[in-house]
Amino acid sequence: EVQLVESGGGLVQPGGSLRLSCATSGFSFSNYIIHWVRQAPGKGLEYVSGINTKGDSIYYANSVKGRFTISRDNSKNTLYLQMGSLRVDDMAVYYCARARVESYGGYDYWGQGTLVTVSS
Amino acid sequence: QSVLTQPPSVSGAPGQRVTISCTGSSSNLGAGYDVHWYQQVPGTAPKLLIFGNSNRPSGVPDRFSGSKSGTSASLAITGLQAEDEADYYCQSYDSSLSGRVFGGGTKLTVL
Repeated sequence: EVQLVESGGGLVQPGGSLRLSCATSGFSFSNYIIHWVRQAPGKGLEYVSGINTKGDSIYYANSVKGRFTISRDNSKNTLYLQMGSLRVDDMAVYYCARARVESYGGYDYWGQGTLVTVSS
Repeated sequence: QSVLTQPPSVSGAPGQRVTISCTGSSSNLGAGYDVHWYQQVPGTAPKLLIFGNSNRPSGVPDRFSGSKSGTSASLAITGLQAEDEADYYCQSYDSSLSGRVFGGGTKLTVL
């Protein structure tokens, strides 16, 4: 069974940092592009970042570029998102999602999400 | 403002057919990038409903169908059921942004 499980969310002050993890199982992690997608309270889905299978091609939304860093450890089947200089508008549920293998494929499996709260 | 434009809400009675539109531009749908659709029941993670414009993952009822033409795409739901009440999102890739993009979402209400 394919599973993605996010962790690391919590309460952080504006300007602070947080590291999210996405532990996966049930599929060959190293063969899939994985992305982070977030959803602010009461709002729609927003693309955050993605990383290719080898970790040498990375994508960021303009809203997080320069503040967030995505990485992966294929030996641990885990995806990470290091978030820095956090702002109130970064507050959201953060999902990791697996992309289908075809080019720019849809997200066929999602985690349950982890909530990041940015508040003083 | 989202790169892909969806109506904020649609509604229909049980058994009826509804469609949800997704309008893009020459840098995403018009450039030939596929559109995908997701269903999200509030409080839960999104679920892939349609991939590659018109393909259904296994387990998705054939009441759901997708199409794409030029810079627009649409999701159709026939035989509307109470359990279809959810938020629906379209998603594609945008070459100008060099990243994936979502529509703003459409809330479907089953009357």
